[in-house]
Amino acid sequence: AQSVTQPDIHITVSEGASLELRCNYSYGATPYLFWYVQSPGQGLQLLLKYFSGDTLVQGIKGFEAEFKRSQSSFNLRKPSVHWSDAAEYFCAVGADSDSWGKLQFGAGTQVVVTP
Amino acid sequence: EAQVTQNPRYLITVTGKKLTVTCSQNMNHEYMSWYRQDPGLGLRQIYYSMNVEVTDKGDVPEGYKVSRKEKRNFPLILESPSPNQTSLYFCASTLHLLAGGPSEQFFGPGTRLTVL
Repeated sequence: AQSVTQPDIHITVSEGASLELRCNYSYGATPYLFWYVQSPGQGLQLLLKYFSGDTLVQGIKGFEAEFKRSQSSFNLRKPSVHWSDAAEYFCAVGADSDSWGKLQFGAGTQVVVTP
Repeated sequence: EAQVTQNPRYLITVTGKKLTVTCSQNMNHEYMSWYRQDPGLGLRQIYYSMNVEVTDKGDVPEGYKVSRKEKRNFPLILESPSPNQTSLYFCASTLHLLAGGPSEQFFGPGTRLTVL
């Protein structure tokens, strides 16, 4: 069964600084990887996804993520954060199998942006 | 507009009083599921459905029921709610790509349930 680890529960970053959120997954085959963002009181919005091909994936809101098979990682980055990026971020992995529709989520990383 | 809708958005109830949270999608997706979100635990799948009349348990199914009589609807039923079911619930749907694997998963806005 697949699993996802987000090692950082909470990250504080200054506005304008760079941000990197870590995500490690465990899955035997090629994973389908996603990053979602949840703003306070809101639902989940898809930032980006990786299915195959180029391992550097561009998403919305200036985010990108890099798939590294050798490290079983799919870290999310943004070069310069804005105050509106304060939110909770979830990494998720899906499977290409009988359970193809299921997403396994990490516990989330709460991002606080300071002035 | 493609969307997943849930109702109600907020609900406060008492222990043992049966309730239903509705979920509907207008994208003709085959796969629908329910998740609950709890602090520090992320989202955990409760039940899922791969198509009409096909449902199965997710990771945390105890205390919940579902049905899938129509493709667009996937209600979550709590026959006898208990305080440990106080949580934020999300319905989601996705389409199986012809090339294999899922497309992105679309989430509803969430239902915040409090069981007293």
